[in-house]
Amino acid sequence: KQEVTQIPAALSVPEGENLVLNCSFTDSAIYNLQWFRQDPGKGLTSLLLIQSSQREQTSGRLNASLDKSSGRSTLYIAASQPGDSATYLCAVKTIFNKFYFGSGTKLNVKP
Amino acid sequence: DAGVIQSPRHEVTEMGQEVTLRCKPISGHNSLFWYRQTMMRGLELLIYFNNNVPIDDSGMPEDRFSAKMPNASFSTLKIQPSEPRDSAVYFCASRSYREMNTEAFFGQGTRLTVV
Repeated sequence: KQEVTQIPAALSVPEGENLVLNCSFTDSAIYNLQWFRQDPGKGLTSLLLIQSSQREQTSGRLNASLDKSSGRSTLYIAASQPGDSATYLCAVKTIFNKFYFGSGTKLNVKP
Repeated sequence: DAGVIQSPRHEVTEMGQEVTLRCKPISGHNSLFWYRQTMMRGLELLIYFNNNVPIDDSGMPEDRFSAKMPNASFSTLKIQPSEPRDSAVYFCASRSYREMNTEAFFGQGTRLTVV
């Protein structure tokens, strides 16, 4: 069974800092990896989708990388802002069309 | 498109009552997923459908849980009888199964409290 781990569980940084969130998975046989953002009491918003054949994807201040062979992905957030405060979740899609989620990293960006 | 629509947004019920959660996937999406989120266990996949057919229900915790998808635009997750430990946020998600590498989109969730 696929196991997805996210480190750290929580992160607090001052505004303007660049930061990296980590996601690791045990089975490299994935189709893609998706990063989500979840605000308190809200649903999940898709941020970036990386195909298994890709190394990275960028959207604005966000950059996600994927190293399938080592079972790792990172989400890089440049010049963090208080509005970036949320829980960030990664999910891997397996060949059986199932998504496995990590437990998330709760980010707090202090003004 | 309005996205994945779930109803109700909040549900408070007494233990032993039947609870029905509803989901309308994005039009054109033919894969639908039900997830449960708790503080202790995070997001857990309960069941998913392809083309209205349940493909994998191994995540459904007990026989008290059942899910149906009578057509491409509607799914229900039913808990009967409900118990306090069923309290969680239940999410529905959809994606296009025809294209293997597409994003999954989530609804806003239903926060269920069983007292």
